[in-house]
Amino acid sequence: DVKVTQSSRYLVKRTGEKVFLECVQDMDHENMFWYRQDPGLGLRLIYFSYDVKMKEKGDIPEGYSVSREKKERFSLILESASTNQTSMYLCASRLGQLNQPQHFGDGTRLSIL
Amino acid sequence: AQSVAQPEDQVNVAEGNPLTVKCTYSVSGNPYLFWYVQYPNRGLQFLLKYITGDNLVKGSYGFEAEFNKSQTSFHLKKPSALVSDSALYFCAVRDMNQAGTALIFGKGTTLSVSS
Repeated sequence: DVKVTQSSRYLVKRTGEKVFLECVQDMDHENMFWYRQDPGLGLRLIYFSYDVKMKEKGDIPEGYSVSREKKERFSLILESASTNQTSMYLCASRLGQLNQPQHFGDGTRLSIL
Repeated sequence: AQSVAQPEDQVNVAEGNPLTVKCTYSVSGNPYLFWYVQYPNRGLQFLLKYITGDNLVKGSYGFEAEFNKSQTSFHLKKPSALVSDSALYFCAVRDMNQAGTALIFGKGTTLSVSS
């Protein structure tokens, strides 16, 4: 089975801090994704990556950046955390073929105080 | 632009009754369609997908979904609901002709199965 591991289940940070969310997958997937999930809004794509050192903006990239230095690891960075970034963050990975499903981690519930 | 609509925020059914969770989509080309389930405080779990071929797709936990191209729908169904099916369900789509795109998700439908 595919395993997507997010480093923290719950995280509390303060406004203005730089926050790192880490995601690791163990199936050699080419593609990795970061979503945020908010009640009533579903999942919204922040960034995705097709390969090492490659990244593409999703629908809501403002206030975020990403890093993919190794194939198995995809990091989401909140440059200066704000309260409106309090949310559930979900990482996913997928094989390169478009007809393959995305596999998700259990999420990081981030609170910005 | 691609989009997915799940017209019901919540669906309530009694245990043992059939259930349907609705999904309609919009893509410029042909779709790849997916259903996921999310239990509390967990990530999304893949249930089933439609790529091509038979319009009735069978997936995990006894779920199935019917692809209807003319109605641009991909409704999730189960003949007999279980209390343990209570969860949040997401429909997702990708245009198979647009390389480099992530899945687009609906806003989710909460399924509540009562005993």
